[in-house]
Amino acid sequence: DAGVIQSPRHEVTEMGQEVTLRCKPISGHNSLFWYRQTMMRGLELLIYFNNNVPIDDSGMPEDRFSAKMPNASFSTLKIQPSEPRDSAVYFCASNLGGGTYNEQFFGPGTRLTVL
Amino acid sequence: AQSVTQLGSHVSVSEGALVLLRCNYSSSVPPYLFWYVQYPNQGLQLLLKYTSAATLVKGINGFEAEFKKSETSFHLTKPSAHMSDAAEYFCAVSEGGGSYIPTFGRGTSLIVHP
Repeated sequence: DAGVIQSPRHEVTEMGQEVTLRCKPISGHNSLFWYRQTMMRGLELLIYFNNNVPIDDSGMPEDRFSAKMPNASFSTLKIQPSEPRDSAVYFCASNLGGGTYNEQFFGPGTRLTVL
Repeated sequence: AQSVTQLGSHVSVSEGALVLLRCNYSSSVPPYLFWYVQYPNQGLQLLLKYTSAATLVKGINGFEAEFKKSETSFHLTKPSAHMSDAAEYFCAVSEGGGSYIPTFGRGTSLIVHP
């Protein structure tokens, strides 16, 4: 299996622009997670899906952030409009779901820089 | 509620020396515990996990961790550090019987000197 795939790997944009991050989870995994990693705040869970349905989006920082999972093999995280403080590494992860002992499989991340 | 504390944001060791990364957890129910490693410019990958079987858990790359309920700890060790072990290490806890979403610690950066 190719693992969790994220694109783009790097994104540089200007403040106010829309940014879309993409994720393809591992085939057969039922749960998908979006994380943000910064030096200041560490690894933060933004939102997670189970069977394509958003379960908990309490970690989404504000309305500028939105996430969708139209099918089992694709998810997007959108920031509109972007701000410099959104600069971070965004990770997507997936797992089998439904069990507390199921480890998460992380993608390589998207490094976002908002100028 | 579950939480994780990793003592020391940075740990520095010499090549060949013992590696000890500390993790203490808080959980209202028997926990499931994980250690992940993150190499530069990569995502996190699982090192090992405790799922209420043996208290001493062996993982990849010679790492192991011991679950100590009385101390609410799950420290990660390796007898002899290699240069290739330099990375960020994250401890995570997930509570059984409820939400299966893990809580991650802030991470410990392992620095290995030649």
